[in-house]
Amino acid sequence: DTGVSQDPRHKITKRGQNVTFRCDPISEHNRLYWYRQTLGQGPEFLTYFQNEAQLEKSRLLSDRFSAERPKGSFSTLEIQRTEQGDSAMYLCASSGGGGAYEQYFGPGTRLTVT
Amino acid sequence: QKEVEQDPGPLSVPEGAIVSLNCTYSNSAFQYFMWYRQYSRKGPELLMYTYSSGNKEDGRFTAQVDKSSKYISLFIRDSQPSDSATYLCAMSAYSGGSNYKLTFGKGTLLTVNP
Repeated sequence: DTGVSQDPRHKITKRGQNVTFRCDPISEHNRLYWYRQTLGQGPEFLTYFQNEAQLEKSRLLSDRFSAERPKGSFSTLEIQRTEQGDSAMYLCASSGGGGAYEQYFGPGTRLTVT
Repeated sequence: QKEVEQDPGPLSVPEGAIVSLNCTYSNSAFQYFMWYRQYSRKGPELLMYTYSSGNKEDGRFTAQVDKSSKYISLFIRDSQPSDSATYLCAMSAYSGGSNYKLTFGKGTLLTVNP
């Protein structure tokens, strides 16, 4: 069990550019969540996948955001036409098996939009 | 009023002290309660999780849930400098499709001084 991994760990981009983040969950976990955390705040829910199906999207997830989980394995989160307000830590978490509500987080991707 | 309220601190204690961290919440549907520890610029690490009311102990950590008061606590005994981190409370209510999305408090920044 290698834990949840995320790539890249840091991303600096210019306003208006597109960025894509990747999350690899714990291998046997079928549930995957994305959260966003800004400085001094707790993480906020963005979206949820059960296997390959995206079952819930937060109203925080504007039309510029899209997430996928092909084949129910890794997931990607894409932000189009980035804005300075998108600067945050993007966290991925997974859960599964008997511990349905226990979520394990990855190290996060820190996005800075200049 | 936010669904989960947590005093952001900061909280500074001497090594060996007993630390008490608390959260209140307003959503009576919350059934699952978790405490995460987050070091600076890292992802949250799951410390404790409980279902419904009661106490749970794990080493130096004790988690308490009082659903009647909508109040949860984390106690750390014999605190160590390595416990210095931000502590996040999180909770969830089952929302269908095996979705246990978490709602977090802001986090309390704890410093344990040698």
